[in-house]
Amino acid sequence: GQSLEQPSEVTAVEGAIVQINCTYQTSGFYGLSWYQQHDGGAPTFLSYNGLDGLEETGRFSSFLSRSDSYGYLLLQELQMKDSASYFCAPRRGDRDDKIIFGKGTRLHILP
Amino acid sequence: GAVVSQHPSRVICKSGTSVKIECRSLDFQATTMFWYRQFPKQSLMLMATSNEGSKATYEQGVEKDKFLINHASLTLSTLTVTSAHPEDSSFYICSARFPKTGQDTTEQFFGPGTRLTVL
Repeated sequence: GQSLEQPSEVTAVEGAIVQINCTYQTSGFYGLSWYQQHDGGAPTFLSYNGLDGLEETGRFSSFLSRSDSYGYLLLQELQMKDSASYFCAPRRGDRDDKIIFGKGTRLHILP
Repeated sequence: GAVVSQHPSRVICKSGTSVKIECRSLDFQATTMFWYRQFPKQSLMLMATSNEGSKATYEQGVEKDKFLINHASLTLSTLTVTSAHPEDSSFYICSARFPKTGQDTTEQFFGPGTRLTVL
């Protein structure tokens, strides 16, 4: 089985920094992915942590601590277009490598 | 990144009819594709895993006779919603994964989704 915990909603101001936390419980953990989804759109891949530590991709960074079963997504220099839902998704590395999405975090950006 | 397409993007049908949704990987061969359903303001729910040349694996609670999945080639998977009813109205999204090599895991690419409305 799998369980994920993320805040349901986060609000931040344009230009600020926001951190979205994720704690997980899953069997056969291989790494943690992050996806973004705008209303009416499909999820898009943001970042993947296969190892502990910080991965940086432009304004977005993601962190993983396997010992704590914890990760976070850090968004810097927030823009209005960052208003979306964000999902952390553990990878189990099994044959199908399927993604089971949690409820996600709805990020609201205020001007 | 790789491109996954879905067709149609929107479909409206009458209750009792069947609807087929296509998912194609345009620039790579996908041995595995996934089908998700998403209701408004909710998360994506994995429905089934589609493997080329074999039967799909359905998640618990998903009726395999109602949601028929066919993965006849390395670039095409289809989802047919049979005898659709209004409660089947939803956003259906497919994803495709690059073939795995060894223990490496690769990202999945999602299609743009199909909005199904059953009247």
